[in-house]
Amino acid sequence: DTAVSQTPKYLVTQMGNDKSIKCEQNLGHDTMYWYKQDSKKFLKIMFSYNNKELIINETVPNRFSPKSPDKAHLNLHINSLELGDSAVYFCASSQVTGRSPLHFGNGTRLTVT
Amino acid sequence: DQQVKQNSPSLSVQEGRISILNCDYTNSMFDYFLWYKKYPAEGPTFLISISSIKDKNEDGRFTVFLNKSAKHLSLHIVPSQPGDSAVYFCAASPNSGGSNYKLTFGKGTLLTVNP
Repeated sequence: DTAVSQTPKYLVTQMGNDKSIKCEQNLGHDTMYWYKQDSKKFLKIMFSYNNKELIINETVPNRFSPKSPDKAHLNLHINSLELGDSAVYFCASSQVTGRSPLHFGNGTRLTVT
Repeated sequence: DQQVKQNSPSLSVQEGRISILNCDYTNSMFDYFLWYKKYPAEGPTFLISISSIKDKNEDGRFTVFLNKSAKHLSLHIVPSQPGDSAVYFCAASPNSGGSNYKLTFGKGTLLTVNP
């Protein structure tokens, strides 16, 4: 009965490869997000989608392409992986209206070698 | 450009005592603040929030204080319990909610509560 689930939990890959991270939420929320926690431990927003529509794109390289097939899913595809992409990626969701807090998944630790 | 700063990377307290975690912000447009708690290998979980129209919000053992003039907020945990040991993130938002809701996080403070 996990609220926000993302897979895989760990991802180890080589530079230049293409990989995807999947995220699903069963909370009925309208908005979903991708956050990145880098080596300095900052959590920074990458994207947000509202009802499958891209709302926020925080100057992320276009090697990163989010895809939202429906409002319960937001996947992240990364092309031509670079060493600097190594981080923990968190998916999150929230209600659109009001100041409802974000509900986070447990993260995907991506290691690029 | 750190708009939300948690200057103490770690804090250690004894069980039963008060834990005080601090957070400073620089962006005057922030008007909504949240604290999240994170255990290892898990995602952050929402703890408590405060709007800029208030200076205090309380929820059980957790109280958040906001000093707008100083651009400072703090989280008080009383009494502290070993299960409170986690990383605490301060976050802020300039928006009124809706689909442009965007949080800026601090780096976090690792709280260790010793039995």
